[in-house]
Amino acid sequence: RKEVEQDPGPFNVPEGATVAFNCTYSNSASQSFFWYRQDCRKEPKLLMSVYSSGNEDGRFTAQLNRASQYISLLIRDSKLSDSATYLCVVNPWYSSASKIIFGSGTRLSIRP
Amino acid sequence: NAGVTQTPKFRVLKTGQSMTLLCAQDMNHEYMYWYRQDPGMGLRLIHYSVGEGTTAKGEVPDGYNVSRLKKQNFLLGLESAAPSQTSVYFCASREGTSGGDEQFFGPGTRLTVL
Repeated sequence: RKEVEQDPGPFNVPEGATVAFNCTYSNSASQSFFWYRQDCRKEPKLLMSVYSSGNEDGRFTAQLNRASQYISLLIRDSKLSDSATYLCVVNPWYSSASKIIFGSGTRLSIRP
Repeated sequence: NAGVTQTPKFRVLKTGQSMTLLCAQDMNHEYMYWYRQDPGMGLRLIHYSVGEGTTAKGEVPDGYNVSRLKKQNFLLGLESAAPSQTSVYFCASREGTSGGDEQFFGPGTRLTVL
């Protein structure tokens, strides 16, 4: 089983729709979680960190479910510019240098 | 601040040739990383460094060497390139144990080995 698993998609949704992705992780000792965004042929960039209490940044909401070992990303009122690949990132130990694990990514395509 | 920069941006090599990829960061970060990204796969860690003069192997280190002689630079070397090393290479840096976990990535180097 992969340490971090994501549905590769692609998710193809109309502009204005709400879309959600999940990401599961296998190591129950994982401490910190993130969503990164990667545009085509570009580098990944941090979208948001995921906190135990859940957090929201504009149209984006991230949640953590430790009991079921998954994190989620919800995008409301999707825009064309949201089209990208979303990478789930898990750090199994606090501030570990080497153990940051990236999921393979979920592709999202927003159509007009 | 330029952030994380990588040179070159593109390179085509023949099998058996060698090359060095340069990563530089101007954020005074302690940690630096080299990843490769292949189609349909996530980022895989090649080597990393937790400070000047230190390096360590990641998930896929075979065929690569690294050096971190200066804090701001992290070099990735391919001694004898193979077609299996065709990939996009990303360098990243991170503040360190005293800071957050966010990694900052360079723009990538697209390498093709014929």
